[in-house]
Amino acid sequence: EVQLSESGGDLVQPGGSLRLSCAASGFTLARNWMHWVRHAPGKGLVWVSRMNPDGSVITHAGSVKGRFTISRDSPRNMLYLQMNSLRVEDTAVYYCVRDFTGPLDDWGQGTLVTVSS
Amino acid sequence: QSVVTQPPSASGTPGQRVTISCSGTDSNIGRDYVAWYQQLPQTAPKLLIYKNNQRPSGVPDRLSGSKSGTSAYLSISGLRSEDEADYYCVVWDDSLSGYVFGTGTKVTVL
Repeated sequence: EVQLSESGGDLVQPGGSLRLSCAASGFTLARNWMHWVRHAPGKGLVWVSRMNPDGSVITHAGSVKGRFTISRDSPRNMLYLQMNSLRVEDTAVYYCVRDFTGPLDDWGQGTLVTVSS
Repeated sequence: QSVVTQPPSASGTPGQRVTISCSGTDSNIGRDYVAWYQQLPQTAPKLLIYKNNQRPSGVPDRLSGSKSGTSAYLSISGLRSEDEADYYCVVWDDSLSGYVFGTGTKVTVL
């Protein structure tokens, strides 16, 4: 069974940093496109970042480019999102998502990031 | 503000058919596949339709998708109380070099 489990969400001050983790089981991360998607309170879904199976293609949304970085630890089957220079508007539930037939087939339960002073 | 727009709300009575639109441009819907998701309150989104009109296994055939030009559509027939949720379309945008979600539609079963 495919499972994705995010962790690392926390309360952080504006300008701070946070690293989100996503533990994958039931499949091999390095064989799928992987994404991060966020959902701010009362707002719609927003795609954040993606990485292709061999790690050669990495794309970030314009709103996070230069501040966020997606990465992977293949031996540990883990996906990460390093978030720097956080802003109040980055407050959201962050989801780790796998492509299969999709895009965006399988979703984790999400982890909450709150940016506030 | 998303470049792909949906009506904020749609409603119907049990058994009726509801259709949600997703309006984009030549740089997104006009050139790439559209997918649709259902999000129940406080839960992760669920894939309903991919490649405009394909259903993953387990999604009932009363849900269907279509696309014409720069617009896509999700239809829910035989509306049920459990269909009450938020629905989003998503598509790759060549100009933005990223995926774009629609603004979302809240479906209410009256």
